[in-house]
Amino acid sequence: GDSVTQMEGPVTLSEEAFLTINCTYTATGYPSLFWYVQYPGEGLQLLLKATKADDKGSNKGFEATYRKETTSFHLEKGSVQVSDSAVYFCAERGSYIPTFGRGTSLIVHP
Amino acid sequence: KAGVTQTPRYLIKTRGQQVTLSCSPISGHRSVSWYQQTPGQGLQFLFEYFSETQRNKGNFPGRFSGRQFSNSRSEMNVSTLELGDSALYLCASSLGGGENTEAFFGQGTRLTVV
Repeated sequence: GDSVTQMEGPVTLSEEAFLTINCTYTATGYPSLFWYVQYPGEGLQLLLKATKADDKGSNKGFEATYRKETTSFHLEKGSVQVSDSAVYFCAERGSYIPTFGRGTSLIVHP
Repeated sequence: KAGVTQTPRYLIKTRGQQVTLSCSPISGHRSVSWYQQTPGQGLQFLFEYFSETQRNKGNFPGRFSGRQFSNSRSEMNVSTLELGDSALYLCASSLGGGENTEAFFGQGTRLTVV
């Protein structure tokens, strides 16, 4: 079945550091790919998405590119802030049943 | 516009009891999905309802059931609660539920089974 693999956390960075959170997926066909963010005590919020190969999703300084050849959708941000501290989930939806990664906790220190 | 509303936010139940959780989707959204989130298993899909019909179901036992009403509001029921059912239960709504559709999540109901 479909699956999504994310790098284990927590990822701990200093403010203004560069962020990469790796995500790879297995799915039949051409799924849509998503990154969600979950702040403490909250539900998930969509951060960005890409619906076809080579698409780049971007929002709030975060970016991810749909790489069909490597089945990856890595999340990047050039300069993180303390307020970016949260749990990030990669997800794919190739059919009606979405599949989520386990989540990667990001901690940003001042 | 109002977001996805889940009630109650917190719940404590005893093993063997049953529980009903409620989800009110964003106005106009016809698809409602339920997820279980635990530290050990992550985020797992329970089921999806669209226009009062269960359209998809995850790999959970029959103790987990749901329904959707004509106004798209949805309820999830868990019978004969087990300690392992302790989790954050999230509801998400979307317009149509297709693969490109953005899902909007509620804040969740934190269920503790003692």
